[in-house]
Amino acid sequence: QQQVKQSPQSLIVQKGGISIINCAYENTAFDYFPWYQQFPGKGPALLIAIRPDVSEKKEGRFTISFNKSAKQFSLHIMDSQPGDSATYFCAASTPMDTGRRALTFGSGTRLQVQP
Amino acid sequence: ETGVTQTPRHLVMGMTNKKSLKCEQHLGHNAMYWYKQSAKKPLELMFVYNFKEQTENNSVPSRFSPECPNSSHLFLHLHTLQPEDSALYLCASSQDRGGAYEQYFGPGTRLTVT
Repeated sequence: QQQVKQSPQSLIVQKGGISIINCAYENTAFDYFPWYQQFPGKGPALLIAIRPDVSEKKEGRFTISFNKSAKQFSLHIMDSQPGDSATYFCAASTPMDTGRRALTFGSGTRLQVQP
Repeated sequence: ETGVTQTPRHLVMGMTNKKSLKCEQHLGHNAMYWYKQSAKKPLELMFVYNFKEQTENNSVPSRFSPECPNSSHLFLHLHTLQPEDSALYLCASSQDRGGAYEQYFGPGTRLTVT
């Protein structure tokens, strides 16, 4: 019930195209959904996040679409650039009894944007 | 940079060696984490410390021993590791409570067990 399923595992997109990564979850206690971007040799870094009370959030070329009834959310990268080539992780967060928040990650999508 | 540093960045060790990984956060956070990142697998949470107290140990083998001497430093002591322990070990920190949700990650230590 704590899993977050992410697809595809890898993605190749032409420069200027749209990259779409999908995630699905089961646990309805999740109340915060961040996306992390990881470049080789670096740790994951928060890219954009959404709460389930909104259906879409946009920051620059990055958009999260959220479907609460389907328990699915996705990341769209518009006008994809070679510099966007990285591994992307979706995640879902839930509060715990200890007061901290647990973060459950998807398995990651390796995005390659070809020039 | 995220404000979380890790040393060393790369480590090669034999199965009989003892080594330690170090993490330091400069963000004033009160929670620190160790994650294991293996190829094609989700990040695996290993340990959680809140205000220097270990609050979670996700069934991690005893050959991994964490230490948190203060809220800014976190260590992972390694001994008699197995080749399958080769992975990227990530440290993260967060400011728990008060509605803060983000975890900030260090660059990781790439560990190879021979």
